[in-house]
Amino acid sequence: EPEVTQTPSHQVTQMGQEVILRCVPISNHLYFYWYRQILGQKVEFLVSFYNNEISEKSEIFDDQFSVERPDGSNFTLKIRSTKLEDSAMYFCASSGQGSAGYTFGSGTRLTVV
Amino acid sequence: RKEVEQDPGPFNVPEGATVAFNCTYSNSASQSFFWYRQDCRKEPKLLMSVYSSGNEDGRFTAQLNRASQYISLLIRDSKLSDSATYLCTSGTYKYIFGTGTRLKVLA
Repeated sequence: EPEVTQTPSHQVTQMGQEVILRCVPISNHLYFYWYRQILGQKVEFLVSFYNNEISEKSEIFDDQFSVERPDGSNFTLKIRSTKLEDSAMYFCASSGQGSAGYTFGSGTRLTVV
Repeated sequence: RKEVEQDPGPFNVPEGATVAFNCTYSNSASQSFFWYRQDCRKEPKLLMSVYSSGNEDGRFTAQLNRASQYISLLIRDSKLSDSATYLCTSGTYKYIFGTGTRLKVLA
């Protein structure tokens, strides 16, 4: 079964450092998403990406965040200057159609110290 | 009002029981609805789509009521392996998740 791959599975970083979280969506999918889940809380939408541009973003997705699809396979989330409150599980997801259910990756657990 | 609301539970039920979860959504323009299952510290996994006409997959039945803006999930003959958090989601192109309902199936 096709899957969404995320790396690394766990990243520890110091406050103020930049991090890049990487995702390889399912190859024929066109819609890409980042969500985050703070421990014990709900899955929160960050950003959606289609046709090489951001289609929607949430209030959480401020100027510290950016996304890129640098080549035909990778989809990255960059946090420029991490804060303690950025500590969370970050999930990448993709779908073949905008109205279809997502396939999520297994997540990157980001710990900011 | 929250965009998607769920009773967080936990619902503790014995094996073999039937259990139902409801979820309400506030955006009447939402076009797509899904149930996901999330195990502890894992990613959400798509369980099933939800339609007004109902959708059944084995022991699981999902239903959408557009007039009242709620979706439901019914699990029949609960198994120990059904223990998880069940997330409902609604939206169009971008999906908003509820907080999830925890289910514990007890032996």
